[in-house]
Amino acid sequence: EVQLVESGGGLVQPGGSLRLSCVASGFSFSSSWMTWVRQAPGKGLEWVANIQQDGSLKQYVDSVKGRFTISRDNAESSLYLQMSSLRAEDTAVYYCVGGSSHDYWGQGTLVTVSS
Amino acid sequence: QSVLTQPPSASGTPGQRVTISCSGSSSNIGSNSVYWYQQLPGTAPKLLIYLNNQRPSGVPDRFSGSKSDTSASLAFSGLRPEDEADYYCAAWDGSVSGWVFGGGTKLTVL
Repeated sequence: EVQLVESGGGLVQPGGSLRLSCVASGFSFSSSWMTWVRQAPGKGLEWVANIQQDGSLKQYVDSVKGRFTISRDNAESSLYLQMSSLRAEDTAVYYCVGGSSHDYWGQGTLVTVSS
Repeated sequence: QSVLTQPPSASGTPGQRVTISCSGSSSNIGSNSVYWYQQLPGTAPKLLIYLNNQRPSGVPDRFSGSKSDTSASLAFSGLRPEDEADYYCAAWDGSVSGWVFGGGTKLTVL
């Protein structure tokens, strides 16, 4: 059974930092593109970043470039998202997604940016 | 404003055929594959259609996808109450080097 379990969400003040983690199992993590997708409360889906299988290629949506960093540890089947200079508009549920077709989704972790 | 355009809502009665459209441009749908995701209330999205018209294992064949030029459609043949959910289209966009999603369509089964 495929599982993606996110952690690290919570309440943070504007300008603060947070690191999200995702542990994967049940599929070949090291052979898969991995992605973070977010969903603001009551809104649609937004692609945030993705990372190639060996971590050599990383891509970001313009609104997070220079503030967020995606990384992975294939030995631990783990995906990370380091978020800094957080803004109110970053408030969302962040989903860890696996596969080139976004085949597998975690349950999400809520990040709230508020003073 | 989403890069891909979907109607905000759609509806139908059980057994009816319903389609949801997704309109894009040459840099996304016009040159790349389209994907569809289903999000049931209070749950994470789930892959429904990949590579324009392919169904993952376990997805019923009453769901089908198609693509023509810069538009795509998701069709339901024989709507069921459990199909009530939000549906999103997505595609890679070469002009922004990133994935773009539609704004989502809320499907109501009357």
